[in-house]
Amino acid sequence: GAGVSQSPRYKVAKRGQDVALRCDPISGHVSLFWYQQALGQGPEFLTYFQNEAQLDKSGLPSDRFFAERPEGSVSTLKIQPSEPRDSAVYFCASSLEGRGLTDTQYFGPGTRLTVL
Amino acid sequence: DQQVKQNSPSLSVQEGRISILNCDYTNSMFDYFLWYKKYPAEGPTFLISISSIKDKNEDGRFTVFLNKSAKHLSLHIVPSQPGDSAVYVCAAGSGTASKLTFGTGTRLQVTL
Repeated sequence: GAGVSQSPRYKVAKRGQDVALRCDPISGHVSLFWYQQALGQGPEFLTYFQNEAQLDKSGLPSDRFFAERPEGSVSTLKIQPSEPRDSAVYFCASSLEGRGLTDTQYFGPGTRLTVL
Repeated sequence: DQQVKQNSPSLSVQEGRISILNCDYTNSMFDYFLWYKKYPAEGPTFLISISSIKDKNEDGRFTVFLNKSAKHLSLHIVPSQPGDSAVYVCAAGSGTASKLTFGTGTRLQVTL
């Protein structure tokens, strides 16, 4: 079946531009996560949704970062405005029930963002 | 402050031999640990996990060992196969929270 998809796969933005990254989770998955992976680092947690409710946004690095999942399926991560230090790969993951870590998180292929 | 550390950036092992990948953590609140496999330009894929109530979990050729007193876990792959060549990323979390903390990964190369 279809896995987690993300678009665009690659994005180049100029400093100051607004950026929107999209995630389509596996159909029926309740939980959705966003992670940021900078070069040479492991993925770092940004935020977590259960259905449309954003339950944890402790990892968002600044108020320039905003995530939403208005209908409990597709999610968008927005960076407004973007800065060069935001350059990273952004991964989305979804899990079926959101009942903690025993619920496997399935990752999308990521969006590589470069901010010049 | 890196709470999950993988100190070996790379490892090369001959086909048929054992691969041992290591991971250390500092947060004593972590009680669930996972290994993910990652190929270039793809997202991490779940491989195996272990709860802190266990010290070993086995799934086919893959075994994860947990040493809570040392805050150390390891992934053993026996026998190693060329298709196992990838980056292996260790992750950890706590309680019923779903947030994962990842290490930086170890690149495994299995040679013929």
